[in-house]
Amino acid sequence: EPEVTQTPSHQVTQMGQEVILRCVPISNHLYFYWYRQILGQKVEFLVSFYNNEISEKSEIFDDQFSVERPDGSNFTLKIRSTKLEDSAMYFCASSEAGGGSGNTIYFGEGSWLTVV
Amino acid sequence: QKEVEQNSGPLSVPEGAIASLNCTYSDRVSQSFFWYRQYSGKSPELIMSIYSNGDKEDGRFTAQLNKASQYVSLLIRDSQPSDSATYLCAVNEGRGSQGNLIFGKGTKLSVKP
Repeated sequence: EPEVTQTPSHQVTQMGQEVILRCVPISNHLYFYWYRQILGQKVEFLVSFYNNEISEKSEIFDDQFSVERPDGSNFTLKIRSTKLEDSAMYFCASSEAGGGSGNTIYFGEGSWLTVV
Repeated sequence: QKEVEQNSGPLSVPEGAIASLNCTYSDRVSQSFFWYRQYSGKSPELIMSIYSNGDKEDGRFTAQLNKASQYVSLLIRDSQPSDSATYLCAVNEGRGSQGNLIFGKGTKLSVKP
């Protein structure tokens, strides 16, 4: 069964450092997403990406964050100058279609980011 | 502020019983509704999706949607210990939204053998 894959599974970084989280969405999917889940809290939407541009972003997704699809398969989330409160599980997700009925979103296993 | 509310639980049921999980949402224009299961430390896994009022059954799972009451539920029949997890209700506004799922905090279900 096709799946969304993410690397690394766990990363520890020092406060102020830059982090890049990588994802390979399901191959025929056109919409890509990043969500995050701080330990013990709800899953929160960060950003959606379609046709090589951001289509939606939340208030969390400020100038510290950026996304990129550097080639035909990878989708990355960059966090500049990490802060302690960025410690969370980051989930990449993808879907074949966007919005409305039929928009089933499939999640990767997550990248656990710890900022120290 | 769009909200999805769930009872955090824990909800404890004996093996073989029916587990009933409930969710309410605040945004009337919401179009798509999902139940995800999340084991501790793992990613959300889609269990059911529902888009129209009424019931939708898939195996031991039944999702129920009432848009007038802004209410979604999930019934798990013949509950098994392996069903023990946190169940997340998620809502997609649709109508041009590109997949911004709004999640509830989840209900932790414990099925006792």
